[in-house]
Amino acid sequence: KQEVTQIPAALSVPEGENLVLNCSFTDSAIYNLQWFRQDPGKGLTSLLLIQSSQREQTSGRLNASLDKSSGRSTLYIAASQPGDSATYLCAVRSGSNYQLIWGAGTKLIIKP
Amino acid sequence: ETGVTQTPRHLVMGMTNKKSLKCEQHLGHNAMYWYKQSAKKPLELMFVYNFKEQTENNSVPSRFSPECPNSSHLFLHLHTLQPEDSALYLCASSQDYGGSSGANVLTFGAGSRLTVL
Repeated sequence: KQEVTQIPAALSVPEGENLVLNCSFTDSAIYNLQWFRQDPGKGLTSLLLIQSSQREQTSGRLNASLDKSSGRSTLYIAASQPGDSATYLCAVRSGSNYQLIWGAGTKLIIKP
Repeated sequence: ETGVTQTPRHLVMGMTNKKSLKCEQHLGHNAMYWYKQSAKKPLELMFVYNFKEQTENNSVPSRFSPECPNSSHLFLHLHTLQPEDSALYLCASSQDYGGSSGANVLTFGAGSRLTVL
């Protein structure tokens, strides 16, 4: 059974730092992995989608990597800003029914 | 309006009340979803509708009753809920369902925060 873990559950860093958020999954047979952002009291916004054949995807200051063999993905945020404060969730699509399996998220706080 | 719209944004109800959550998508998507998000837990998929037909029901208690009259609208009817049902209920839609292409990427609404007293 696929399980997705995000550690740490919360992270606080000063503005301007580069940082890495982690996502691990137990079954390497995945179709793709997605990173989402959730602002307080809001829904989720898709940030990046990495297909299983890809190693990384980039969007602006965000870079997501995927290492299927080790069951890990990282979301790198460059030059963090207070506006990056949010909860970041990763989700893996796997299984015969293409189910999305979610991590519990990492709550990120960027201090001005 | 564009995107996925959920109403109401906040709802407080007693255990004996009957209420409904509404979701509307203006994206021309074919699949719609209900998710439950509880504090510090992963999202839980509740129901999926594809072309307004229910394709998934993840063992959700019968006190939650979904309705999908067309591909653009999705309701979640609530009755005799329990305090542990208090959560953020998220609606989402996607162009397609059941694959791994970019057409299956979900677009979420802002959610309905439900409190059961």
